[in-house]
Amino acid sequence: DTEVTQTPKHLVMGMTNKKSLKCEQHMGHRAMYWYKQKAKKPPELMFVYSYEKLSINESVPSRFSPECPNSSLLNLHLHALQPEDSALYLCASSQDPGLAGSEQYFGPGTRLTVT
Amino acid sequence: RKEVEQDPGPFNVPEGATVAFNCTYSNSASQSFFWYRQDCRKEPKLLMSVYSSGNEDGRFTAQLNRASQYISLLIRDSKLSDSATYLCVVSRYGGATNKLIFGTGTLLAVQP
Repeated sequence: DTEVTQTPKHLVMGMTNKKSLKCEQHMGHRAMYWYKQKAKKPPELMFVYSYEKLSINESVPSRFSPECPNSSLLNLHLHALQPEDSALYLCASSQDPGLAGSEQYFGPGTRLTVT
Repeated sequence: RKEVEQDPGPFNVPEGATVAFNCTYSNSASQSFFWYRQDCRKEPKLLMSVYSSGNEDGRFTAQLNRASQYISLLIRDSKLSDSATYLCVVSRYGGATNKLIFGTGTLLAVQP
């Protein structure tokens, strides 16, 4: 089973709201990722957690705050977003963050609209 | 210049056709290579990893040429259900862990 789940599927929030995106995997994977994808563009890496520690932050604005409560869960906390942050937010996981050939599996994404 | 380059297409082909996608990458430190497919408004799904010896999965054949930094995907006997965007992806060490670098994708439309 290569399932990564994400909630919610859709989210509409105002620029003053605080919301959270959730991601879960039960494959025993030790790396988890957040990506942002705009229409007709490839996914852009935002954050990588390796063994529950933040290992990569791709210079993401502080209004996005990731959290990894345990090896199966990944959250993305959102605060004071801008309309240009509207996008599909994808979570992914892979078995071994240090292994180049480790395949990443994506969740279905959360489609976020900031009004 | 983008680190992973693909022809964006669209490739419009009839059912049953054979279609080939090419991809080049610029960073010689790239270590692993993949093809993902992405349907409209869905998540990317891993199609296959790509190995130097070439590998085949049913109607799909992938090739890697490390010397030329070139990756290809061949789809034989195209089906309507093959219509999607095909993403060429490389993996390399990102300073703390491995990260994926995506090409912009090639759009395939298989026509009845």
